[in-house]
Amino acid sequence: DAMVIQNPRYQVTQFGKPVTLSCSQTLNHNVMYWYQQKSSQAPKLLFHYYDKDFNNEADTPDNFQSRRPNTSFCFLDIRSPGLGDAAMYLCATSRLAQEQFFGPGTRLTVL
Amino acid sequence: AQSVTQPDIHITVSEGASLELRCNYSYGATPYLFWYVQSPGQGLQLLLKYFSGDTLVQGIKGFEAEFKRSQSSFNLRKPSVHWSDAAEYFCAVGGREYGNKLVFGAGTILRVKS
Repeated sequence: DAMVIQNPRYQVTQFGKPVTLSCSQTLNHNVMYWYQQKSSQAPKLLFHYYDKDFNNEADTPDNFQSRRPNTSFCFLDIRSPGLGDAAMYLCATSRLAQEQFFGPGTRLTVL
Repeated sequence: AQSVTQPDIHITVSEGASLELRCNYSYGATPYLFWYVQSPGQGLQLLLKYFSGDTLVQGIKGFEAEFKRSQSSFNLRKPSVHWSDAAEYFCAVGGREYGNKLVFGAGTILRVKS
């Protein structure tokens, strides 16, 4: 089945230790998104790629970066995780202006 | 500002009872409207969508939603709730007027009592 895959599902890191989260898709969608979701809150968009065109949300901290080496893969890098970055990170894909398909998420814990 | 309102943070219904979750959006002449469901620790699953045409849309798991332009609403309904429907439900609005991004409501947590 076509799908959005996120690895790992659970990630534990130490305060200040860089971490990379991975997302891949078999849907061949041209748009990929990264969201941060904290407990009992709606997902908050961090950035998205339309093909290779990177779009950063104005309030996304500089501590968060992303890479999209090809259509299928997208990475979220957190350069120096703080306790406030502990959250669920969701990857989603879509065709432009169409519905988004979400992966299962990566739960990040910062010790 | 573009916003989506889900006025009910929590709703509790009895199994077998009907359900309606409310959603209102603030902006857009031609919004694209979505309902997603999220179980604990999981990603979001699309229940249904509205782009244009018939204002009553059918989705998965027996859900339906009705778009009412005059009320800027897109309420989700199910005639008979099952215990497995307990989850968090998010209404979202998107489309070109929203920069091809989604604006989410705050979510409604549904509890089902037996």
